Amino acid sequence: AQKVTQAQTEISVVEKEDVTLDCVYETRDTTYYLFWYKQPPSGELVFLIRRNSFDEQNEISGRYSWNFQKSTSSFNFTITASQVVDSAVYFCALSEANTDKLIFGTGTRLQVFP
Amino acid sequence: EPEVTQTPSHQVTQMGQEVILRCVPISNHLYFYWYRQILGQKVEFLVSFYNNEISEKSEIFDDQFSVERPDGSNFTLKIRSTKLEDSAMYFCAQRKGTLLTDTQYFGPGTRLTVL
Repeated sequence: AQKVTQAQTEISVVEKEDVTLDCVYETRDTTYYLFWYKQPPSGELVFLIRRNSFDEQNEISGRYSWNFQKSTSSFNFTITASQVVDSAVYFCALSEANTDKLIFGTGTRLQVFP
Repeated sequence: EPEVTQTPSHQVTQMGQEVILRCVPISNHLYFYWYRQILGQKVEFLVSFYNNEISEKSEIFDDQFSVERPDGSNFTLKIRSTKLEDSAMYFCAQRKGTLLTDTQYFGPGTRLTVL
């Protein structure tokens, strides 16, 4: 069965610190897709990234970077030089090839203090 | 990023009442989804809808739920007889992209409060 685990319930950092949000997934499929979404205090879900299972390249987008490792079934998200505006709940999600429903983790609440 | 809108932003209803939540999609998109998020919890899949038919639904999506696209534009989620435990944020999503890039983009959500 598919499952996404975000073991960190809440993380607090001070501005300019780097922070890594962990995501571990379970799936029996060989083809699957991984996502990160951000949910700021206003409540909407904002898409950040999609990664396909056959593409293990890490990705960097500005202060954001993602480390996908199939060997450990992890898709971790790092924010470099965090800012107060990064404060949000971050969700990791998984979908498999034969379905497009998203399976979400329980989220990690990130608080960045000035 | 495509913009999906939802109405109302907040709905308060009495237990046992019917509610209809609306999603205004981006034109020409065929794939729609509903998810819900009970306060403080994770986002859960309810149903996917393709070409005017349900393509997949979760265990949560029981007989009291229904979806339709009544006028070819708005996409609705109906809860026939609301229960206290239906109180949640309901998100509509649409899919955009190619096979290798397609992604679900979410609307701002409707907060449903059942009293």
